[in-house]
Amino acid sequence: SQQGEEDPQALSIQEGENATMNCSYKTSINNLQWYRQNSGRGLVHLILIRSNEREKHSGRLRVTLDTSKKSSSLLITASRAADTASYFCATDFYSMDTGRRALTFGSGTRLQVQP
Amino acid sequence: EAQVTQNPRYLITVTGKKLTVTCSQNMNHEYMSWYRQDPGLGLRQIYYSMNVEVTDKGDVPEGYKVSRKEKRNFPLILESPSPNQTSLYFCASSSGSGTDTQYFGPGTRLTVL
Repeated sequence: SQQGEEDPQALSIQEGENATMNCSYKTSINNLQWYRQNSGRGLVHLILIRSNEREKHSGRLRVTLDTSKKSSSLLITASRAADTASYFCATDFYSMDTGRRALTFGSGTRLQVQP
Repeated sequence: EAQVTQNPRYLITVTGKKLTVTCSQNMNHEYMSWYRQDPGLGLRQIYYSMNVEVTDKGDVPEGYKVSRKEKRNFPLILESPSPNQTSLYFCASSSGSGTDTQYFGPGTRLTVL
């Protein structure tokens, strides 16, 4: 499968600093998505970037996509304590054998923002 | 409010005792799926459904069943739970295919003793 893998696994920063998380994947994609998960709760969609896009912004979030390197990054600027959460990238997957379309998730980056 | 709901939120049970986790969405979404989340493994899809009466296996379907008799509901059934099914379970839905933005429920933490 083309599971996305996040790097680093854990990140601790001070409030006000920027946080950068990276995601690498294995095969071609149509889109890549980033989700956020507060401890033990459901994932919340943050942003979707399509394969023909290179950069996308949403508030303090900036996502880049480099399809030649099969990688994406999520930048959170001017972080806040409330940004403390786990962040997951998800890539779309299509099986020609079964016709199944799904998202495959990495194991996430745990971000801790110290007040 | 647009949402995906799951019940129960927490469940402790014993090996072999059949259980059902319910999932309901009020967004008229066609696509619904179940994931389990385990430490270090991310989210893995168990089953999915493209529409009413259309269900299929995900990555880890063994030991689970699902049904989709109505568009809004997608229950997950564990006929004979085992300790290796102890996990955090999420239901999700989307308006398009399984590769579109997914809306997740709050999760069900299941412990099988």
